[in-house]
Parts: sequence; structure tokens; C-alpha cells
Amino acid sequence: QQQVKQSPQSLIVQKGGISIINCAYENTAFDYFPWYQQFPGKGPALLIAIRPDVSEKKEGRFTISFNKSAKQFSLHIMDSQPGDSATYFCAASQGGGSTLGRLYFGRGTQLTVWP
Amino acid sequence: KAGVTQTPRYLIKTRGQQVTLSCSPISGHRSVSWYQQTPGQGLQFLFEYFSETQRNKGNFPGRFSGRQFSNSRSEMNVSTLELGDSALYLCASSLVTSGVTGELFFGEGSRLTVL
Repeated sequence: QQQVKQSPQSLIVQKGGISIINCAYENTAFDYFPWYQQFPGKGPALLIAIRPDVSEKKEGRFTISFNKSAKQFSLHIMDSQPGDSATYFCAASQGGGSTLGRLYFGRGTQLTVWP
Repeated sequence: KAGVTQTPRYLIKTRGQQVTLSCSPISGHRSVSWYQQTPGQGLQFLFEYFSETQRNKGNFPGRFSGRQFSNSRSEMNVSTLELGDSALYLCASSLVTSGVTGELFFGEGSRLTVL
């Protein structure tokens, strides 16, 4: 049973466009929601993370929007660049941080940004 | 500062054999987590170790085991290999402050192929 559902599976965006990836969860005990970026042959790297006490967090061109009542969160990549082409994973964790080592990942979104 | 180092990077085994994978965390990181990544199941949590103790375990059969040494280095072992064990095995390390695990830093993984 997938604890975190992610869509779309793949996404093609033109350079300069906005990339939007959505995730949904069921477990209301989740209290930490990170996004990871993975390039081929590399391990995932943390991009940005949010806790449910805020509805939005922005870091450069990357923004997480969080809707606690809908149990959904999304990643927006503004001004998408070819270098952003990678696989993006949303994730969730519970337990106030003590079990952060256990992340529940979405299935991933393969983003391709055309020049 | 060196990142998370995993060895070997690639290995090929046959069914029924066993394999041991090694992970050296970032210096100062005492928590080590292991994940299995496959195209079909995505990223799935195997286990987390902190101070040589297993803190969390995912839903994998007993053929999958791990341990952590006093220097925080970790190994995972898979016995009686099956074809379905073919995957990228990722290790992640993190700081633990007041019992709370911080951001996960992933290694590049060990790619296991079972023939």
C-alpha cells in the first residue's frame, strides 16, 4: 500500500515554464514532507522540505505548497531549466522527527525540460 | 567533506548466493538508513541504525539484515538471493540531535544484479 501517491509519472516542460508535481497522503501522523531530486547514476538529494505548520515554503525557484486539510502537497519549479531534468520524489515521515530515517516515498516524477 | 560512500558500486550475483554491501557515512553522522530502489516498487525503507542499534525496520523478509559498527559504518546483508532482489541499494546518513534524525544524505548506491 503506497503511503504517498505522486503524480504525474512523467512531465515535459519547455524551458522557462512552470513544472508542477503533486503528492497526496493518508496518514495524518506525517509531519515532515521533503522533496528529493535524483539524477541518473546518483543518489537522491534533498531539494526542499516543509512541516505542516506552514502552507508554503520557497527556496529560489522551488516552492512547496501544503494543504493540510486536503492532505496534499506539491512542488512548483518556476522558470524551469534543462538542468532541472531529473526524477523528483516526494516523501513523508512521522514521529516528530525521531523516525526521520524512515521516509515513505512517492513513486517519482521524471521531469524533462526542453530547451 | 566527503559524502556517503557505498561499496561496491556494482555487483552481479546468482540466485541463492548472499551479498554484503558497505556504507561509510559522512563524518559525524551516527544514523544510517538503507533503502531499496526498483522501477516497480520505487524507494522502500529497509532499516535505520543509530549507535549500533536498529531503530526502525521496513517490511522486508528476514533475508535482509544489517548492522552498524562503533565508527558508524554500516553493512547490509542479503542471504539466499532471489531474482527480485535486483535493485539499487541506497544508504543515507544523517545527524541525530536530541534523538531527532536530520536531513538524509544519500550515497550513490550499490547496483545489485541477481542472475
